[in-house]
Amino acid sequence: AQSVTQLDSQVPVFEEAPVELRCNYSSSVSVYLFWYVQYPNQGLQLLLKYLSGSTLVESINGFEAEFNKSQTSFHLRKPSVHISDTAEYFCAVFATYGGSQGNLIFGKGTKLSVKP
Amino acid sequence: DAGITQSPRHKVTETGTPVTLRCHQTENHRYMYWYRQDPGHGLRLIHYSYGVKDTDKGEVSDGYSVSRSKTEDFLLTLESATSSQTSVYFCAISESIGSGPNEQFFGPGTRLTVL
Repeated sequence: AQSVTQLDSQVPVFEEAPVELRCNYSSSVSVYLFWYVQYPNQGLQLLLKYLSGSTLVESINGFEAEFNKSQTSFHLRKPSVHISDTAEYFCAVFATYGGSQGNLIFGKGTKLSVKP
Repeated sequence: DAGITQSPRHKVTETGTPVTLRCHQTENHRYMYWYRQDPGHGLRLIHYSYGVKDTDKGEVSDGYSVSRSKTEDFLLTLESATSSQTSVYFCAISESIGSGPNEQFFGPGTRLTVL
């Protein structure tokens, strides 16, 4: 079965510092990976996704993630964080079964806290 | 924003009471999902639907049932609520997968407290 491990439950960081949120997944033939962000008292929003092609994917707000097949990782990075990046971040893998059907398997989340 | 609403947004109920949560979409997406979110567990899939009257169980389906009689509505029912079902419930939708998974869009959530 597919699984996702987010290695840090909480990451405190100062504003304008770089940050890396770590995510490892269980190996599978076809891998589709996602990062979602949840701001306080809101639902989840897609931040970025890897389906195929370039192993480095970027979001519109400065985050990027790199798919590393050999290390089965999909770490999320940002070179300089803002207070507004404070949120919980979820890594997810799409688990396929029986043709094109499948579901997202989520990690337990990493709470990013950006301090002034 | 994807047109997904959940009702009610907050509910407090007592153990043993039946509860129904509603998810409504205006996107005409084929797939709909119910997740629960608990601290330290992330999101876990309860049930999902791949079409009208087509549903299947997820990871944590015990104690829950679902129904989908129309494309736009996906109902989650707790037949007899228990305190362990206190959680935040999220509905999500996505379109046909095709050659790979499409993005899931999430609703605003329903906070359920079972006393």
